[in-house]
Amino acid sequence: EAGVAQSPRYKIIEKRQSVAFWCNPISGHATLYWYQQILGQGPKLLIQFQNNGVVDDSQLPKDRFSAERLKGVDSTLKIQPAKLEDSAVYLCASSLVLAGYNEQFFGPGTRLTVL
Amino acid sequence: DQQVKQNSPSLSVQEGRISILNCDYTNSMFDYFLWYKKYPAEGPTFLISISSIKDKNEDGRFTVFLNKSAKHLSLHIVPSQPGDSAVYFCAASGSYDKVIFGPGTSLSVIP
Repeated sequence: EAGVAQSPRYKIIEKRQSVAFWCNPISGHATLYWYQQILGQGPKLLIQFQNNGVVDDSQLPKDRFSAERLKGVDSTLKIQPAKLEDSAVYLCASSLVLAGYNEQFFGPGTRLTVL
Repeated sequence: DQQVKQNSPSLSVQEGRISILNCDYTNSMFDYFLWYKKYPAEGPTFLISISSIKDKNEDGRFTVFLNKSAKHLSLHIVPSQPGDSAVYFCAASGSYDKVIFGPGTSLSVIP
């Protein structure tokens, strides 16, 4: 079974530029998550989808971050414009169902550096 | 406000000995607690979980203990192996709620 795929693996941009990350979850997984992990901290949920609907985006900085999950499969996360404090690893995860006990499967992440 | 805390940023243990990783939480509404393990340049992988109605769950070398009155859980690894060297995240959630991760503990198992 293929795991969660993410691209790119690394990205370096200047502040105020735009960047987009792509995620392909495990086939059949209804729930998809985007996390931000800053160095030395645990992953912080940015947005959570159930199929193609948003379940929780309470911690997404909506003035600069946006995400979509078209057709309930792949997802993209965009930052426009980027700030220095956006430097982090962006992790995508998926799970079979939306439930707190459900194991989440993570992709390898995209390491973003904003200069 | 940090709802899930891991107060030890790092831990070193000799191979073959027991590793004990601790986690404290503040929200008494959490129903599930999970441990994830993360190697460098990889995403976290699920290790073990426990429901709030239990006080112990065991899976091979890994055991998680939950003390609800103290809002404390711990992960025991016995015996510890060099391949266990990784960052361990404690996480908690409600039944249909988002998962809150702690800051992680970096475990080094010395051969």
